[in-house]
Amino acid sequence: NAGVTQTPKFRVLKTGQSMTLLCAQDMNHEYMYWYRQDPGMGLRLIHYSVGEGTTAKGEVPDGYNVSRLKKQNFLLGLESAAPSQTSVYFCASSYRSGLVNNEQYFGPGTRLTVT
Amino acid sequence: QQQVKQSPQSLIVQKGGISIINCAYENTAFDYFPWYQQFPGKGPALLIAIRPDVSEKKEGRFTISFNKSAKQFSLHIMDSQPGDSATYFCAASLYSGGGADGLTFGKGTHLIIQP
Repeated sequence: NAGVTQTPKFRVLKTGQSMTLLCAQDMNHEYMYWYRQDPGMGLRLIHYSVGEGTTAKGEVPDGYNVSRLKKQNFLLGLESAAPSQTSVYFCASSYRSGLVNNEQYFGPGTRLTVT
Repeated sequence: QQQVKQSPQSLIVQKGGISIINCAYENTAFDYFPWYQQFPGKGPALLIAIRPDVSEKKEGRFTISFNKSAKQFSLHIMDSQPGDSATYFCAASLYSGGGADGLTFGKGTHLIIQP
């Protein structure tokens, strides 16, 4: 199993450009999440999904959109990138909440720079 | 509003010593408290987790101590080794909630074990 994979690993955007980050998991997990990690800030939840076709906002959703058309994929979109969106983005997945093991498995991250 | 406060920001420990990282939370509805370990360039990985019905959990050299009345929990790394050098994040979530239970993270502790 590959676990959680993210594409691309690195990206540089100019202000106003758009892009989509792709997350894929092969563990048949119900839940998927997008976090951003900034120096000294820990990880903050952007959006999450409890199943195919459903998404919801997290702590810092502004400027991002997401889609979960297939259970194994979770896409994060930036419609008009801003320098404040320079960050490392992590995708994670887990089984349904309430189970004994609610571990979230993280991907390797995407380092995004917006100039 | 920071719901999980972590200290210290950075920590230097001699090889063989005990590393201690502390966290405090505000939301009394939290009932799942994991610790994640992150190496440079990698995604976070679950190290150990606890639920508030126990006051301590030990896995190898890693122990979580939990104080529900004080709303505090800590990670102890016994016999610290250079390979333990990493960034450690405490987190909290609503384990048994009906939602996606995205994690609320502390800001992280950069741990260096000196040989």
